[in-house]
Amino acid sequence: EVQLLESGGGLIQPGGSLRVSCAASGFTFSNYAMSWVRQAPGKGLEWVSAISSSGGRTYYAGSVKGRFAISRDNSRDTLYLQMNSLRAEDTAVYYCAKDGALGSGSNFGGQGTLVTVSS
Amino acid sequence: SHEWTQPPSVSVSPGQTASITCSGDKLGDKYACWYQQKSGQSPVLVIYEDNKRPSGIPERFSGSNSGNTATLTISGTQAMDEADYYCQAWDSSTAEMVFGGGTRLTVL
Repeated sequence: EVQLLESGGGLIQPGGSLRVSCAASGFTFSNYAMSWVRQAPGKGLEWVSAISSSGGRTYYAGSVKGRFAISRDNSRDTLYLQMNSLRAEDTAVYYCAKDGALGSGSNFGGQGTLVTVSS
Repeated sequence: SHEWTQPPSVSVSPGQTASITCSGDKLGDKYACWYQQKSGQSPVLVIYEDNKRPSGIPERFSGSNSGNTATLTISGTQAMDEADYYCQAWDSSTAEMVFGGGTRLTVL
């Protein structure tokens, strides 16, 4: 069973930085692309970023490009999202997801971590 | 960033068929996926590659995708199907994964 445990969320001031993590288990982490998806309170899902299985290719939504950085450590089965220059509109639950091939969808195996950007 | 267009809400009576649409330019040329999200829970994939069901998803869930519109159909809708539904597809023009705005399905 795919298990994804997000952590590292919390309250951060505007302009600050935060790194969230996702510990994976139940599958061979190094074989799969991974993504971050967020959901602002009472709003819909928003794709944030994705990374290839090796980490060699990364992709970002326009709303976070230049501020966020996705990375992974395949030796630790862990996915990261470094978030800089945080804004109030970045407030959301951040989910990590195991990606299939393009078009095959994603598996959200965790409950997410809440990031609140507020002074 | 943009989103695919979904109706904000759809209502259906128990046992009837619910259809939720997702529209966007040339969406039929891309693979569409659908997710179900119940209140307080993480999203669950219910349709991938336009019309395939993951293991464990009931047969009453089906999908299609053609032209500019993808459609999720729930036949014989049950009370347990009440949830928010999101479509998703890769936009190759921007190299971004894009979600629809979401549709709240109410089973009356």
